[in-house]
Amino acid sequence: ILNVEQSPQSLHVQEGDSTNFTCSFPSSNFYALHWYRWETAKSPEALFVMTLNGDEKKKGRISATLNTKEGYSYLYIKGSQPEDSATYLCARGGWGSNYQLIWGAGTKLIIKP
Amino acid sequence: SQTIHQWPATLVQPVGSPLSLECTVEGTSNPNLYWYRQAAGRGLQLLFYSVGIGQISSEVPQNLSASRPQDRQFILSSKKLLLSDSGFYLCAWGVGTGPTDTQYFGPGTRLTVL
Repeated sequence: ILNVEQSPQSLHVQEGDSTNFTCSFPSSNFYALHWYRWETAKSPEALFVMTLNGDEKKKGRISATLNTKEGYSYLYIKGSQPEDSATYLCARGGWGSNYQLIWGAGTKLIIKP
Repeated sequence: SQTIHQWPATLVQPVGSPLSLECTVEGTSNPNLYWYRQAAGRGLQLLFYSVGIGQISSEVPQNLSASRPQDRQFILSSKKLLLSDSGFYLCAWGVGTGPTDTQYFGPGTRLTVL
């Protein structure tokens, strides 16, 4: 059974502080790693998809890195703002696994003003 | 632009009752369609996916079924709900089928089975 683990489960961060959290996944037959943001009362929204070891993607104050050899990805948020409050999901796609992404349970981020 | 609709938003049903959740997509043709469930504290679990009208693949054996009667309509059903069917149900669509392809989600349905 392939498991994608996210830590921490939840995180409280002061507005203006930077933060990061982790997605761990099986590295065998790895193909792609997705990050999504899921705000309360909204739909999950894609942030990044990464495939190569050492990949780094950035969107505004949010960035992500990928280590496929050891099987982890970090999501960083610089200078957290209240609108960053959301659950951040990661999902792993593997070779030969069309349609099937394996999802983590998410990290719930709460930004305190 | 593409939009995806799901209804109802919330549903409370007794054990043993039937279920029908509907998902429709606008602004695209022949999308791949997905039904996911999220139980409390768990990751999204793929229940069904469909690559075309009448084509349904099931990922997890359960008392749920899915149908795709039209190109942009995906329905999740059950004849008799179980307590364990409670959860948050998300419909999603996508263009490609590979592991790098983005999926676009609907607003979800929160189902409580009592």
